[in-house]
Amino acid sequence: AQTVTQSQPEMSVQEAETVTLSCTYDTSESDYYLFWYKQPPSRQMILVIRQEAYKQQNATENRFSVNFQKAAKSFSLKISDSQLGDAAMYFCAYRWGGSQGNLIFGKGTKLSVKP
Amino acid sequence: DTEVTQTPKHLVMGMTNKKSLKCEQHMGHRAMYWYKQKAKKPPELMFVYSYEKLSINESVPSRFSPECPNSSLLNLHLHALQPEDSALYLCASSKDSQETQYFGPGTRLLVL
Repeated sequence: AQTVTQSQPEMSVQEAETVTLSCTYDTSESDYYLFWYKQPPSRQMILVIRQEAYKQQNATENRFSVNFQKAAKSFSLKISDSQLGDAAMYFCAYRWGGSQGNLIFGKGTKLSVKP
Repeated sequence: DTEVTQTPKHLVMGMTNKKSLKCEQHMGHRAMYWYKQKAKKPPELMFVYSYEKLSINESVPSRFSPECPNSSLLNLHLHALQPEDSALYLCASSKDSQETQYFGPGTRLLVL
């Protein structure tokens, strides 16, 4: 069975600093996708970044980047120059390439940003 | 444009009521999803529609009845719900069932 584990229930970062959120997953598949979603108190799940397993290059989106270690099955999210608006619940998610849309989510990490 | 809209934003209903949740997207996506999210938990997949056909039903009780009248619209009909069904109901869509999912803002449901 595929699983996603986020070992940090809560994290805190000072504004303008860098923080890394951890995610590990377990799968026997070779074709899969990994995602980080952000859910602020407003509730909407917002896609932060996506990584295809076949790509060796780590995905980046402005201040957000991932460290994708395929052999270690690790997919951490780095947020640089943290802003107050980054405060949210962050979910790591996995989807097998052959699935009909089943996203498997981790339990989430609540990120607080201190001014 | 990655907008998925959901109505209503909030809904309070009694256990004998019948209500419906609505989800709409105009991105030309052909896959749409319903998720249920309890407080401080990740979303749980309920249903997947692909090309207007139900492709996944994650053993959801029959008091939840999905409907996909066309490729832009997804409904979730609710009847005889229980208090434990109170949750945030999220809709998502994607180009097809193997593409990235984009979520709506959700409907907060309270069953009394």
